Amino acid sequence: DAGVIQSPRHEVTEMGQEVTLRCKPISGHDYLFWYRQTMMRGLELLIYFNNNVPIDDSGMPEDRFSAKMPNASFSTLKIQPSEPRDSAVYFCASSPVSDTQYFGPGTRLTVL
Amino acid sequence: GQQLNQSPQSMFIQEGEDVSMNCTSSSIFNTWLWYKQDPGEGPVLLIALYKAGELTSNGRLTAQFGITRKDSFLNISASIPSDVGIYFCAGQNSGYSTLTFGKGTMLLVSP
Repeated sequence: DAGVIQSPRHEVTEMGQEVTLRCKPISGHDYLFWYRQTMMRGLELLIYFNNNVPIDDSGMPEDRFSAKMPNASFSTLKIQPSEPRDSAVYFCASSPVSDTQYFGPGTRLTVL
Repeated sequence: GQQLNQSPQSMFIQEGEDVSMNCTSSSIFNTWLWYKQDPGEGPVLLIALYKAGELTSNGRLTAQFGITRKDSFLNISASIPSDVGIYFCAGQNSGYSTLTFGKGTMLLVSP
């Protein structure tokens, strides 16, 4: 299995631009999680889906952030408009049950 | 919300030494997990613990689920340079699907 796939691996953009991060979970996994990692705040859960349905989005910082999961093999996290404070590493993780989460390699986002 | 306190924040040791790190919580968890993150990669699950008092090994790694359910420990024996990375603990409550992560322990191993 290829594991969780994320793209792009690195993204540099200017403040105000729209950013879209993509994730392909491991086939057969019912749960998908989006995390943000920074030095100051560590790993923060942004949102998670179960069977493509958003279950808890209380970690999404602002209305500028949105996430979708149109099917079992694809999810996006969108930031519009982006701000410098959004700079972080964003991880997608999937799991067949909710504890054994498998993480992707992450997307390092830099907003100038 | 729940918080996990991981200690130490960082460790710098010599190859061959044993390592101990721990994680404490202000509240009870029913599952404890330990992850390792290599530079530029995502966290990888090392050990999962499901019962209070449980002691589980994975090669040179041994983890324990504290009796009080509020703490967990990870030990690494005979460290090697590839043990370098950040080790995260994570706790989960039954009935919830989310994990609460600690801030991590950065381990550096000198050859």
